[in-house]
Amino acid sequence: DIQMTQSPSSLSASVGDRVTITCRASQGIRNDLGWYQQKPGKAPKRLIYAASSLQTGVPSRFSGSGSGTEFTLTISSLQPEDFATYYCLQHNTYPYTFGQGTKLEIK
Amino acid sequence: EVQVLESGGGLVQPGGSLRLSCAASGFTFSSYAMSWVRQAPGKGLEWVSLIGGSGNNKYYADSVKGRFSISRDNSKNTLYLQMNSLRAEDTAVYFCANSYPGHLWGQGTLVTVSS
Repeated sequence: DIQMTQSPSSLSASVGDRVTITCRASQGIRNDLGWYQQKPGKAPKRLIYAASSLQTGVPSRFSGSGSGTEFTLTISSLQPEDFATYYCLQHNTYPYTFGQGTKLEIK
Repeated sequence: EVQVLESGGGLVQPGGSLRLSCAASGFTFSSYAMSWVRQAPGKGLEWVSLIGGSGNNKYYADSVKGRFSISRDNSKNTLYLQMNSLRAEDTAVYFCANSYPGHLWGQGTLVTVSS
């Protein structure tokens, strides 16, 4: 199975900060990666698909990059509503696998 | 309105069975693969299973292979997850979603496996 290693596992930041979350795949997955945001008690919401394409309706402060084994999610200027947990998911090879999550907290 | 809505969760004893349903509306259900994803209390997301649009192709996480079975009825726009030989570690909120999953998720249904 492909392992997705996400870092950091938690992150404290302030409104207006630029933050980057990384996902590393144990083998190449082309650009078959999505990023999801989840708030407590809610379903996940897809932010990015195909590693770098912004889901319709998602603010442009979110961006994704990478291909192969190294991927990043960047939030250019944190807003109060961005404090949540973020997950990557590889959908290149079955079984699909999520990263362990990054909890973004207010500093 | 485009939506998916899960049902069928509840309390079940270890070794028991449960069938989850996911009713879809507002989109051409048969054109989409559909997935189940679960989240144990306080834990991260775990991809569980995916079925192709026609129902012919099915894939499972190692943790549920041989115990869970995914299916769909395109005439009823409904996705299913038959869960057998349930274990305490299957306790989770189960979400259905379109595609691998994509942008459309249900609100989840809680399955608790406990004696």
